[in-house]
Amino acid sequence: GDSVTQMEGPVTLSEEAFLTINCTYTATGYPSLFWYVQYPGEGLQLLLKATKADDKGSNKGFEATYRKETTSFHLEKGSVQVSDSAVYFCALRIQGAQKLVFGQGTRLTINP
Amino acid sequence: NAGVTQTPKFQVLKTGQSMTLQCAQDMNHEYMSWYRQDPGMGLRLIHYSVGAGITDQGEVPNGYNVSRSTTEDFPLRLLSAAPSQTSVYFCASSYERDRGRTQYFGPGTRLLVL
Repeated sequence: GDSVTQMEGPVTLSEEAFLTINCTYTATGYPSLFWYVQYPGEGLQLLLKATKADDKGSNKGFEATYRKETTSFHLEKGSVQVSDSAVYFCALRIQGAQKLVFGQGTRLTINP
Repeated sequence: NAGVTQTPKFQVLKTGQSMTLQCAQDMNHEYMSWYRQDPGMGLRLIHYSVGAGITDQGEVPNGYNVSRSTTEDFPLRLLSAAPSQTSVYFCASSYERDRGRTQYFGPGTRLLVL
């Protein structure tokens, strides 16, 4: 079945460090890929998305490229801030389907 | 726009009690969904709706009922609460014409079943 595997957390970094959170997927069709972020006590917010191979999603300094050959959608940011501390979820949606399939989430903590 | 709203924010139930979690959206989205979030498991789809009067099951529907009488509202009913239903519940909506079908989430309802 369709699935998403994320880098195990928690991840702790210092401010201004480089961030990578790995995400790989298994899908029967051609999925759209998403990164959602959940700040403490809040719901999920869309961070970025890519709907086809080689697309790059970007927002708030975060980037992820849809790599069909490696079935990956790794999240990167060049210089993290304390305010980036949150839980990050990678997700996919198969074309024509309503359901989002989520990874287990990666908790990120940024220390000043 | 208020976006997606959920009530209550927090609820404690005893085993066997029933309750309804409310969800409303003011974006005129056709699609609405209910997810539950459990530690280490991401979010899992309970039920979803593609429009008023149309609902379908997700991957974990047992113990839950839904209905969609209006575009705006999509309540989730727990028929007889069990401790296994202790979770955080999120409602989401999306727009049919959005190719990526981006989902907009509510703030969540934290449910504790004793």
